[in-house]
Amino acid sequence: QKEVEQDPGPLSVPEGAIVSLNCTYSNSAFQYFMWYRQYSRKGPELLMYTYSSGNKEDGRFTAQVDKSSKYISLFIRDSQPSDSATYLCAMSPIGYSGGSNYKLTFGKGTLLTVNP
Amino acid sequence: ETGVTQSPTHLIKTRGQQVTLRCSSQSGHNTVSWYQQALGQGPQFIFQYYREEENGRGNFPPRFSGLQFPNYSSELNVNALELDDSALYLCASNIAGGLADTQYFGPGTRLTVL
Repeated sequence: QKEVEQDPGPLSVPEGAIVSLNCTYSNSAFQYFMWYRQYSRKGPELLMYTYSSGNKEDGRFTAQVDKSSKYISLFIRDSQPSDSATYLCAMSPIGYSGGSNYKLTFGKGTLLTVNP
Repeated sequence: ETGVTQSPTHLIKTRGQQVTLRCSSQSGHNTVSWYQQALGQGPQFIFQYYREEENGRGNFPPRFSGLQFPNYSSELNVNALELDDSALYLCASNIAGGLADTQYFGPGTRLTVL
């Protein structure tokens, strides 16, 4: 079983739709949860960063973490064509780097297309 | 755009050859991590460098090696290239002790092994 599972899609929605992206994980040590957006031929760009269980909102984006179910979600409200990208979830047991073995474990990514 | 740059953008090599990829960290960042992203997959952690020393390694063989220089730039070297090494190679830099949201990825180098 992979440490992080993410449905690769592809997911196609009309402009203005609410998008729900999800990941499950098996490693109970994961404490920090991130969502990255990756446009074609670009590096990943951090969208949301959360610690432990709960919700975090930033504009049209909401990240949810349910540690009891080992399940994380990213919701995109009022989706726009410019949101078309691959969305990657990532996790880490620690939140800082340097002087310690810090690494991110990523899901496969979900390819999202928002149609005008 | 982040301040992390990588070179070259694209590279084509043949099986058995050796390759060196380069990364220039964002100003002030002293930790560099390298990731391999195969087509249709998420990035996989190769290793991290901090203070010019390897500081953690993923499940990659010894033919993957790296260097970090005093100016915090970094190299990834891959010997005896295999077809499965074809991937996008990403470097990410951050400040030691900084939270995950201080880590920035470069645009990547796309390596094709024929």
